Amino acid sequence: NAGVTQTPKFRILKIGQSMTLQCAQDMNHNYMYWYRQDPGMGLKLIYYSVGAGITDKGEVPNGYNVSRSTTEDFPLRLELAAPSQTSVYFCASSLSGQRGMFSYEQYFGPGTRLTVT
Amino acid sequence: QQPVQSPQAVILREGEDAVINCSSSKALYSVHWYRQKHGEAPVFLMILLKGGEQKGHEKISASFNEKKQQSSLYLTASQLSYSGTYFCGTATLRTNAGGTSYGKLTFGQGTILTVHP
Repeated sequence: NAGVTQTPKFRILKIGQSMTLQCAQDMNHNYMYWYRQDPGMGLKLIYYSVGAGITDKGEVPNGYNVSRSTTEDFPLRLELAAPSQTSVYFCASSLSGQRGMFSYEQYFGPGTRLTVT
Repeated sequence: QQPVQSPQAVILREGEDAVINCSSSKALYSVHWYRQKHGEAPVFLMILLKGGEQKGHEKISASFNEKKQQSSLYLTASQLSYSGTYFCGTATLRTNAGGTSYGKLTFGQGTILTVHP
């Protein structure tokens, strides 16, 4: 299994440009998450999804959009990039089960390092 | 609201012990612990569910006091490989009438652990 994969690994955007960060997992996990991590800081949840077609906002959703058309893929869209969106973006996935959400290990992808100038 | 971790940084020599604390102002459903090495993705250590359980894995263990909304991570006989930044994540959860779980996992700011030979 490849686990959680993210593309691209690095990207530089100009202010006002848009892009999509790709995330895919091959573990058949229903739950998927997007986090951002600013230098020296913890992870902040942007959006999450409990299954295909179901998404919800996390802690810092402004400036981002997500969609979940399949179990495997969970892309994150940045519209009108701003310098404040310079960060490392991590995608993660986890099992779903009787214990409920946030009761299972999250598997993280390698991250996308984004710079907006 | 972000959980508070203490201390912010710890420096150890190999073989010494350390405790990292995590406290929240909210009622918690679960507490997650992850370790992140520089430039890498977070790696899962353990999850504790409400119920005051204590879990362990080799020389790393953790406790969760649900009433105090606190968790502690115990590292005994530290090894060089323990160096990294440790994050706790605290989860709050709600379930709608349809039985679907929604919630948030919020990470602390991290504790930098450095182990010297």
